Amino acid sequence: DTAVSQTPKYLVTQMGNDKSIKCEQNLGHDTMYWYKQDSKKFLKIMFSYNNKELIINETVPNRFSPKSPDKAHLNLHINSLELGDSAVYFCASSQGVAGGLYEQYFGPGTRLTVT
Amino acid sequence: KNQVEQSPQSLIILEGKNCTLQCNYTVSPFSNLRWYKQDTGRGPVSLTIMTFSENTKSNGRYTATLDADTKQSSLHITASQLSDSASYICVVSDRGSTLGRLYFGRGTQLTVWP
Repeated sequence: DTAVSQTPKYLVTQMGNDKSIKCEQNLGHDTMYWYKQDSKKFLKIMFSYNNKELIINETVPNRFSPKSPDKAHLNLHINSLELGDSAVYFCASSQGVAGGLYEQYFGPGTRLTVT
Repeated sequence: KNQVEQSPQSLIILEGKNCTLQCNYTVSPFSNLRWYKQDTGRGPVSLTIMTFSENTKSNGRYTATLDADTKQSSLHITASQLSDSASYICVVSDRGSTLGRLYFGRGTQLTVWP
């Protein structure tokens, strides 16, 4: 009964490739997020969707494209992967928007390694 | 510039001891402050969420305090256990709405030794 799940858990790929990470939540939440955690463990928000609508789009290269087919899913597609994209990517969800008093539930993370 | 600073960067304590982690922020306006615990290889888990009007909030052996005047928060862990070994992240939001942004600290890495 995983609340927020991500696939794959590990992803090793070469520079220049295109890859996708998938996220699903079964909590009935309206809002979903993508975070990037670098090697120094600094967590940074990338995108947020509320009811399938993009509401947060931080300064992220346009090689990263999120897509929310429905409220329960938020996928992340990355084009032309670079070495600097190596990180752990976390998906999260909450009942309401990021700034409100809503708990965020995080997935287990996807460790992306670009060689 | 809106920032969240945490100290210490890392901390080692013996099992059973207490410890306090600090979070100072310059985020304005202020909506709420959260503490997360992140175990190695896992996603963060929420410990507490505090608003402007709350001074103290507890979650088991974890007690968070907030001084909105000095823009400081602390997380106190009582009678530490080995399972408390983790990274603790402070996050501040500037608005409780769609426009709200989250500002993350870099975390304090806590290690509890037996």
